[in-house]
Amino acid sequence: NAGVTQTPKFQVLKTGQSMTLQCAQDMNHEYMSWYRQDPGMGLRLIHYSVGAGITDQGEVPNGYNVSRSTTEDFPLRLLSAAPSQTSVYFCASSPRRRGGSSGNTIYFGEGSWLTVV
Amino acid sequence: AQSVTQPDIHITVSEGASLELRCNYSYGATPYLFWYVQSPGQGLQLLLKYFSGDTLVQGIKGFEAEFKRSQSSFNLRKPSVHWSDAAEYFCAVDYPGGGADGLTFGKGTHLIIQP
Repeated sequence: NAGVTQTPKFQVLKTGQSMTLQCAQDMNHEYMSWYRQDPGMGLRLIHYSVGAGITDQGEVPNGYNVSRSTTEDFPLRLLSAAPSQTSVYFCASSPRRRGGSSGNTIYFGEGSWLTVV
Repeated sequence: AQSVTQPDIHITVSEGASLELRCNYSYGATPYLFWYVQSPGQGLQLLLKYFSGDTLVQGIKGFEAEFKRSQSSFNLRKPSVHWSDAAEYFCAVDYPGGGADGLTFGKGTHLIIQP
């Protein structure tokens, strides 16, 4: 069972470079999201999607772009990386819209460690 | 603003002792409540969740949590901890009818197990 798959697991970027963190789920989930985790801050929601073609901003969206062209994939793009984006990034999915409050479990990927130097 | 508070950044417990991790939320109505565990270098695993009904919720790995509306709390408990329970624990809430569609997390409690 693949679940939620994130790639790459580790990445080092130079300031100003761009990159895409990939997220794929094989559970046919409507809802997908991206979080970042920083020491002492818990996880914070970056962007989310409630279905193909639908995305919206979370708590900390600045510096990140997303798109959802298929149900399975939800890539996170950093257009011009900054040291403040050094973090661990988690992708998550759940079966239906409104994630947890639909009575769903939200499933997390194993994380992508990003360092911007 | 909606928020989740985990008052204890670190907790040290002896192996075999009981454990209680605290979680308080700030919201006008009852949110949906979750506890996740994260082992070093790993993703998040759901321990248990509360949506409605019985306020004492049983989870995996011998954990339970009790929702107390009057205290706006959802504390996690385990009667006897094992060394393998050492990890970071996150309380999270989802606010029905809220803005962004996602979980609001506490800052986490780091659990250390003493032999």
